[in-house]
Amino acid sequence: GEDVEQSLFLSVREGDSSVINCTYTDSSSTYLYWYKQEPGAGLQLLTYIFSNMDMKQDQRLTVLLNKKDKHLSLRIADTQTGDSAIYFCAETLYSSASKIIFGSGTRLSIRP
Amino acid sequence: EAQVTQNPRYLITVTGKKLTVTCSQNMNHEYMSWYRQDPGLGLRQIYYSMNVEVTDKGDVPEGYKVSRKEKRNFPLILESPSPNQTSLYFCASRRGLGDNEQFFGPGTRLTVL
Repeated sequence: GEDVEQSLFLSVREGDSSVINCTYTDSSSTYLYWYKQEPGAGLQLLTYIFSNMDMKQDQRLTVLLNKKDKHLSLRIADTQTGDSAIYFCAETLYSSASKIIFGSGTRLSIRP
Repeated sequence: EAQVTQNPRYLITVTGKKLTVTCSQNMNHEYMSWYRQDPGLGLRQIYYSMNVEVTDKGDVPEGYKVSRKEKRNFPLILESPSPNQTSLYFCASRRGLGDNEQFFGPGTRLTVL
């Protein structure tokens, strides 16, 4: 079945790296995404990775994909207070490009 | 400015009173969809539309209707709202199915008493 799972909360110290993890069950994923939702706002696409890639880097963001374990992670280097948000992992499937399946979201909080 | 707008942003209503949440995008996108966001459940798709006059059910369509008479607008209609439809609703659009970037509206927080 289709399922995307994330832990609900993560707390990190300002300046440290944050690693947000996600697991998915459907091996026919085509694209995997990370979205950011700031308080009172809609979701904003941060980055995405095609399923035949292992890694994608974009400034402070690094996405790692382990297809064998169906595990996706988002690393945020030098975490800042502006990174406080809910981060959603999501996937689209080969069988249904019209549908994006979202995880429950990980709330990232930053400690001074 | 390219954007997706929703109205109203906040709404408190009573059971059974029909309501419409409007959604409009100014990017000439073909694909639009509605989601609801509930704590611990992430976003679940209610309905989507691949173009004018083409709509289809998502994962949780019960109790909702949509229409797509024009490309830019995709209203969500609750004919007889119930308390279990209390949620945060997001409209989203993207250029087409093959496009990876989906733009989200700011959300509509609906409370049904």
